Amino acid sequence: DIQMTQSPSSVSASVGDTVTITCRASQGISHWLAWYQQKPGKAPKFLIHAASSLQSGVLSRFSGSGSGTDFTLTIHSLQPEDFATYYCQQAYGFPLTFGGGTKVDLK
Amino acid sequence: EVQLVESGGGLVKPGGSLRLSCAASGFTFSSYSMNWVRQAPGKGLEWVSSIRSNSGHIYYADSVKGRFTISRDDAKNSLYLQMNSLRAEDTAVYYCARDQFGEGATVNWFDSWGQGTLVTVSS
Repeated sequence: DIQMTQSPSSVSASVGDTVTITCRASQGISHWLAWYQQKPGKAPKFLIHAASSLQSGVLSRFSGSGSGTDFTLTIHSLQPEDFATYYCQQAYGFPLTFGGGTKVDLK
Repeated sequence: EVQLVESGGGLVKPGGSLRLSCAASGFTFSSYSMNWVRQAPGKGLEWVSSIRSNSGHIYYADSVKGRFTISRDDAKNSLYLQMNSLRAEDTAVYYCARDQFGEGATVNWFDSWGQGTLVTVSS
């Protein structure tokens, strides 16, 4: 199975900050990676696919990069509505696996 | 507008069974691969099962293999998860999720999610 390791597990930030979340795959997955945002009590929201392609309707302050085993999600100019937990997910092969999540909270 | 609405969750005793349903609308259900993802209380996301369009291929997480069965009824625009031999560790919110692309172009990431249904396994 492909293990997905996210870091940090939590980060405290202020409105206007830039936050970077890292996701590492235990083997190469090319660009087969997605990112989701989840707020408490809500379903995950699809943000980025194919490592760097922004889903329609997602604001451009979110960006993704990486290929192979190392990926990043960057949130520029953090806004109040961005405080949430973020998950990466590999789509390279079954079983599909998620990272453990990164909680972005207010400093 | 894509809508996915799960139902069928509830409290069940260990060893019991439950059948979850997901009613889909707003898209051509038969063209899309569909999935179940769960989230234990206070924990992260865990993929459970996937079913391709036309039920051509089915996949399960090892943790549920042999106990859970995914199925779909394209005439009813519905996805199902039959859960047998339930364990305490199956306690979670179960989400129905749609693959991003239809028409056989499966990518295994999920662009639409339902609101989830809570399954609690406890005596």
